[in-house]
Formats: sequence, structure tokens, C-alpha cells
Amino acid sequence: KQEVTQIPAALSVPEGENLVLNCSFTDSAIYNLQWFRQDPGKGLTSLLLIQSSQREQTSGRLNASLDKSSGRSTLYIAASQPGDSATYLCAVPQGGSEKLVFGKGTKLTVNP
Amino acid sequence: DVKVTQSSRYLVKRTGEKVFLECVQDMDHENMFWYRQDPGLGLRLIYFSYDVKMKEKGDIPEGYSVSREKKERFSLILESASTNQTSMYLCASNAPRGSTDTQYFGPGTRLTVL
Repeated sequence: KQEVTQIPAALSVPEGENLVLNCSFTDSAIYNLQWFRQDPGKGLTSLLLIQSSQREQTSGRLNASLDKSSGRSTLYIAASQPGDSATYLCAVPQGGSEKLVFGKGTKLTVNP
Repeated sequence: DVKVTQSSRYLVKRTGEKVFLECVQDMDHENMFWYRQDPGLGLRLIYFSYDVKMKEKGDIPEGYSVSREKKERFSLILESASTNQTSMYLCASNAPRGSTDTQYFGPGTRLTVL
């Protein structure tokens, strides 16, 4: 059964710092990997989706990489801002299905 | 812009009540999902529907049922609410596998069962 782990569980950084969030998964037979953002008390917003054939995806200050063979993904945030404060979740499909398995997230705080 | 709406942001119910949570999407998506989110446990899938009247159990279906009579609407039903069903409930939708589509989430319903 697919399991997703995110490290660290929480991270606090000063504004302007570059940072990396980590995600690992146990079953490397995935067809994509997704990163989401969740603000307190709200739903999830998709940030990046990486297909299994891709190594990375970029959107603005965000860059996500995927290494299927090692079961790892990283989300790199450049020049962090207080508005980046949120919980970031990683998700991969369960087997070949449409169902996603989520990590428990990394709670990021960017201090002004 | 994809929109997934949920009928209530906050809901308070009593133990034993029948509770309906409604979710509507406007993108003609085949797939719809119901999750619950609890501190320390993360997001867990309750039920998944891949077409009208079609459904699959997720990881924690006990105590819940679902209904999908129309493509755009997916309802989660708590037949007899219990205090351990107090949680944040999130609905999502997407196009089937083979597309590059992510899951789109609604704003969530925070349910409290007293």
C-alpha cells in the first residue's frame, strides 16, 4: 500500500530565504505526483503536477522535482515571502488508480 | 476557472441525526471524491465516484454513504451522525486519468457533531 511521508512537519524561516520541502513515497509505480497548498481552514489548491515522464515542473518561484526510482520529490521555494505561509501537501496515486494518497504536510511559516 | 462548491462552510448537528453534505462542480468532471481531514491523520479518502451512479469505497467508508444522481453533484451522507465524525470534509473533482488534470478542491465543510 502506498505511503507518503513529508519532512519536516513544520518549518519556520525568515523572509527571503530559499527553502526545500521533501516528500517520499513507498511505491515508485506512479503516473504523476502533485503538490498542493492549504491555507488554514480552507480547501487545497493545486501548485504543481509532475507526470512520471518528467523530472521537474516550475511555476513562478516554485520548482518541483521528481525522482521515481528513489521515491522522492522536492518542492523548492525561492525567495520566500510571508504570503507563502501555509501547509504544503504532496500526493501520489494509489497503485494505478485515480485515488490519491496524501502526505500529512509541511506547515511553513515565513516570518517578515 | 474550475469551481467546486460545498453546501455549507460550517455545520453543527446532534448525535444520531442524518446529515447531508453536498458538493457541486461546474467542469463536467467524471471523477468526484469525498475526503475527511483530521489533525495528525491528514486527508483520508471516504468515497470516490467515477461516473453517475458509480462509486468506490475509499479508506474509511464506515458510517458514510454517497449518492451521485447527476454528473455535477456528489453527496456524502452520514446516516446516523456520531461525535467521531466531527471533522473537516473536503470534496474534489477531476477529469479521468490520461489527462494532465489535477484534483480541484472545494472550500471544505467543518462539521461538528454534539
